[in-house]
Amino acid sequence: AQKITQTQPGMFVQEKEAVTLDCTYDTSDQSYGLFWYKQPSSGEMIFLIYQGSYDEQNATEGRYSLNFQKARKSANLVISASQLGDSAMYFCAMREGGGNYGQNFVFGPGTRLSVLP
Amino acid sequence: NAGVTQTPKFQVLKTGQSMTLQCAQDMNHNSMYWYRQDPGMGLRLIYYSASEGTTDKGEVPNGYNVSRLNKREFSLRLESAAPSQTSVYFCASTRTAGTNYGYTFGSGTRLTVV
Repeated sequence: AQKITQTQPGMFVQEKEAVTLDCTYDTSDQSYGLFWYKQPSSGEMIFLIYQGSYDEQNATEGRYSLNFQKARKSANLVISASQLGDSAMYFCAMREGGGNYGQNFVFGPGTRLSVLP
Repeated sequence: NAGVTQTPKFQVLKTGQSMTLQCAQDMNHNSMYWYRQDPGMGLRLIYYSASEGTTDKGEVPNGYNVSRLNKREFSLRLESAAPSQTSVYFCASTRTAGTNYGYTFGSGTRLTVV
């Protein structure tokens, strides 16, 4: 079973508008971390934001915020005031507290966001 | 700048040729990883090294070997390249334990096997 699900293969948003990228996860661990990475067309993987499973407040980093709903096991990324430079692939990832250290970090399939002028 | 350095950035190989992708990190991370990324398939784990002196297979290890040379360096070797190994390869590192530590990625190697 997929541990990270991103149901939107592609999304479009108008410049200056907000957009939400969906991510749901599956784990039986109590301790885990959730991450979002951005991959622009240049190819590098850029860390955006982190949310811990015990964090009571939603994480924010500038224009990025993470809408964390623990009971629903969702960790949606919200980008406010979209910019053309936000056009990229976005990956949701989870690191679990248990299990094999080498394989406790899992990625979703990604969502390609296109910002329209 | 601190981070993960991958070389080369681009490579074209002929089928059957061998090559080694190099990766080095200077963040004192224990764990290092090699992933491949193919269009529409996200990131797939090839091999990892949870700590210096250990290596283990990931999801797609066939056709690859790795060496954890020391704590800083983790190389990926293609002994006899095949067109199916055309991909973008990423090296990553992190602390071994702690769910609040994510990956730091290298800039990637775009490999084409003809």
